[in-house]
Amino acid sequence: GAVVSQHPSRVICKSGTSVKIECRSLDFQATTMFWYRQFPKQSLMLMATSNEGSKATYEQGVEKDKFLINHASLTLSTLTVTSAHPEDSSFYICSARNPLSEKLFFGSGTQLSVL
Amino acid sequence: AQSVTQLDSQVPVFEEAPVELRCNYSSSVSVYLFWYVQYPNQGLQLLLKYLSGSTLVKGINGFEAEFNKSQTSFHLRKPSVHISDTAEYFCAVSKNSGGSNYKLTFGKGTLLTVNP
Repeated sequence: GAVVSQHPSRVICKSGTSVKIECRSLDFQATTMFWYRQFPKQSLMLMATSNEGSKATYEQGVEKDKFLINHASLTLSTLTVTSAHPEDSSFYICSARNPLSEKLFFGSGTQLSVL
Repeated sequence: AQSVTQLDSQVPVFEEAPVELRCNYSSSVSVYLFWYVQYPNQGLQLLLKYLSGSTLVKGINGFEAEFNKSQTSFHLRKPSVHISDTAEYFCAVSKNSGGSNYKLTFGKGTLLTVNP
């Protein structure tokens, strides 16, 4: 079964609203989680690295005020897309690193559609 | 900076035929190489990885890949595919094999479709 749960799998929202996506590690405590974004027929692009108990590290070009990341516990990281616009419509994927095995596990992704 | 090129966006094959999914990378430093598979409505799963040692790496489900440093390639192969191998395959590179700085750079993916 899945070791990383991502929710919701699909969300449709109106322009200007905020959307929260959750990423949970089910079998291990993840000190580090990653958030990716994928446009159709494009690569997964790393948006940010989420570290438990500290601020997320954002990749160049990613607006940290627009994509709020919270990693308040060892099993949960959230990505909030604030004041979403149609250009934010994309597939968002999280991954969590098991510090014991050093393996990376991926969520099944969230398709965000902003109308 | 690293980059990954997957030369084929789609590869249709018949069941029991061999398949090769191509991946080339560029990097100014040594990298670690990975292949991930994504089945419909599921998360990415690690197929195999090259960290060091033998350049021929065997993974799950009968897949293997060969690291070729001179050609900067890491092509994925399977001698005989099944219908269940139909999925999206992603090649990825990283400067780190593990650790907290485990950033992956992905290719655009190759959709493998196995037809009966």
